[in-house]
Amino acid sequence: EAEVAQSPRYKITEKSQAVAFWCDPISGHATLYWYRQILGQGPELLVQFQDESVVDDSQLPKDRFSAERLKGVDSTLKIQPAELGDSAMYLCASSGNTIYFGEGSWLTVV
Amino acid sequence: GDSVTQMEGPVTLSEEAFLTINCTYTATGYPSLFWYVQYPGEGLQLLLKATKADDKGSNKGFEATYRKETTSFHLEKGSVQVSDSAVYFCALSDPRIQGAQKLVFGQGTRLTINP
Repeated sequence: EAEVAQSPRYKITEKSQAVAFWCDPISGHATLYWYRQILGQGPELLVQFQDESVVDDSQLPKDRFSAERLKGVDSTLKIQPAELGDSAMYLCASSGNTIYFGEGSWLTVV
Repeated sequence: GDSVTQMEGPVTLSEEAFLTINCTYTATGYPSLFWYVQYPGEGLQLLLKATKADDKGSNKGFEATYRKETTSFHLEKGSVQVSDSAVYFCALSDPRIQGAQKLVFGQGTRLTINP
């Protein structure tokens, strides 16, 4: 069964350092999403791509977060500099008719 | 804007008990409704969905019916198992947005089943 692949699964970084997460969506899925899930809460959309274009990044803190999907396939989410409040799970998802999520990347900022 | 409200957890039940997790929504249109499940340390898995009023989604013994009149999508299971212990998220998406499915999630309900 096809899956959304994410890496790394776990990342510990110091405050003010840079961190990046990678996502490979299900083959053929044009739409890719990055969500952030703070412990004890539901996921919130950070950015949505249609192919290589951003269609919604209204909740992305653009002063420190960036996301790209250069060839319309895999995607990278970057945080620079990381802050303590960025500690969360970062979920990537892709969709055809249904949205499928990856296993997530846990970030701890110390 | 669109929003989803779930019953607060945590919910603790004994094995074979009946489960209901309440979910209500606010939306300007006629959203599609979903239940996702998250096992410890993992991402979200789609459990079931319904795309129009009176539709019933079902999977693995879980059911939920899209009730437009009460704007609800309550999750039910007749006999829970220890393996059902997880966090359950209710979500909606607005099908008016062409080619996209932006999900809006509730806060999640943690379910623990004791043997």
